Amino acid sequence: DADVTQTPRNRITKTGKRIMLECSQTKGHDRMYWYRQDPGLGLRLIYYSFDVKDINKGEISDGYSVSRQAQAKFSLSLESAIPNQTALYFCAIGLGTGDTGELFFGEGSRLTVL
Amino acid sequence: GEDVEQSLFLSVREGDSSVINCTYTDSSSTYLYWYKQEPGAGLQLLTYIFSNMDMKQDQRLTVLLNKKDKHLSLRIADTQTGDSAIYFCAESDIMNRDDKIIFGKGTRLHILP
Repeated sequence: DADVTQTPRNRITKTGKRIMLECSQTKGHDRMYWYRQDPGLGLRLIYYSFDVKDINKGEISDGYSVSRQAQAKFSLSLESAIPNQTALYFCAIGLGTGDTGELFFGEGSRLTVL
Repeated sequence: GEDVEQSLFLSVREGDSSVINCTYTDSSSTYLYWYKQEPGAGLQLLTYIFSNMDMKQDQRLTVLLNKKDKHLSLRIADTQTGDSAIYFCAESDIMNRDDKIIFGKGTRLHILP
């Protein structure tokens, strides 16, 4: 099994629809992150969570919400999708302070909003 | 806020060395990283260097860190077609930014035959 699993891998939806992207991990890491990748813009942090009760906004959290249902699960929601949220979304996990800070990434969820 | 800059494209002939450069602004960086993203895949850590080191070598990869100039480079010796990917420079500042890692925009490495 992959360390970090994202579902769905691809999704096409319409403007105004609610979308949830799910992430689960098998490594038991506390820290989970959601990034979006856009061509020429690199990776931008949306939300991150250091444990089940700790949720933090990243640099581009507007229009998104998250839920840390369990240590192993971190979902990203778009309450009302808009076309400029078309992007490749990555979930990542990490060990945190005291470690090298290495992140392990999922394979990505490609979202298209029409 | 803190920033990481790198050029967007690099073309190199197969067998030559590739050098990907990166600059960053945080003088308190703890670790600096190079991640590799192959087509259709997520990012994978290629190598990292602790901020009190100047150089790290791992097989075909050499990382050089100039802390004074806040400049990081990745050299790939004997570049192969399998090295074709996007390379992301990234840095962390554990003391001031907890574990938020800041990524550059990525350099797409294209291998010429």
